Amino acid sequence: GAVVSQHPSRVICKSGTSVKIECRSLDFQATTMFWYRQFPKKSLMLMATSNEGSKATYEQGVEKDKFLINHASLTLSTLTVTSAHPEDSSFYICSASPLGGTEAFFGQGTRLTVV
Amino acid sequence: GQQLNQSPQSMFIQEGEDVSMNCTSSSIFNTWLWYKQDPGEGPVLLIALYKAGELTSNGRLTAQFGITRKDSFLNISASIPSDVGIYFCAGQVTSGTYKYIFGTGTRLKVLA
Repeated sequence: GAVVSQHPSRVICKSGTSVKIECRSLDFQATTMFWYRQFPKKSLMLMATSNEGSKATYEQGVEKDKFLINHASLTLSTLTVTSAHPEDSSFYICSASPLGGTEAFFGQGTRLTVV
Repeated sequence: GQQLNQSPQSMFIQEGEDVSMNCTSSSIFNTWLWYKQDPGEGPVLLIALYKAGELTSNGRLTAQFGITRKDSFLNISASIPSDVGIYFCAGQVTSGTYKYIFGTGTRLKVLA
């Protein structure tokens, strides 16, 4: 149990375009989902916390208009990287916590390359 | 952003050896989680700790939640080649919006 699916696993896009990444909890409901960014050989940096039906809480230094987060249901959150630039290239990972739970389960990550 | 300090940063060990790594923070956490991440993949949850002093095992893995709630360690016994990867600790912050802060990671390499 506790499976989180992230899609796509890899995406290449042109500068200036937008990319949407989906995060789904497959076998549980998640009131809270988290989005992280990870640079090579570095730890996971929390970008934002997404709560179902409300606005996401962004970490300091993360541009809200750049990284749009939507948590429309208890099983789906999306991250849209708008007007992507090469410096946005990174590994993006989501995680989800079950209702009433204190553990977080991760998706497989999305490798974004902006050319 | 805020991070937990993990040590060692990396280690090479021989297959069959025991491994120990720890995670420290200046803040108190209510929950500690240990994860393993393989290259190009998302982290996989290994062990969750909920109470100060708690000692929990999962197969060859053992983790403890420090009494002060500011640290945790993870031990791997009789390491095997597939233990290679990066191990992260994560502490749950519960003041305000609850979230998880990740450690700096310990990169483990096992020599056969």
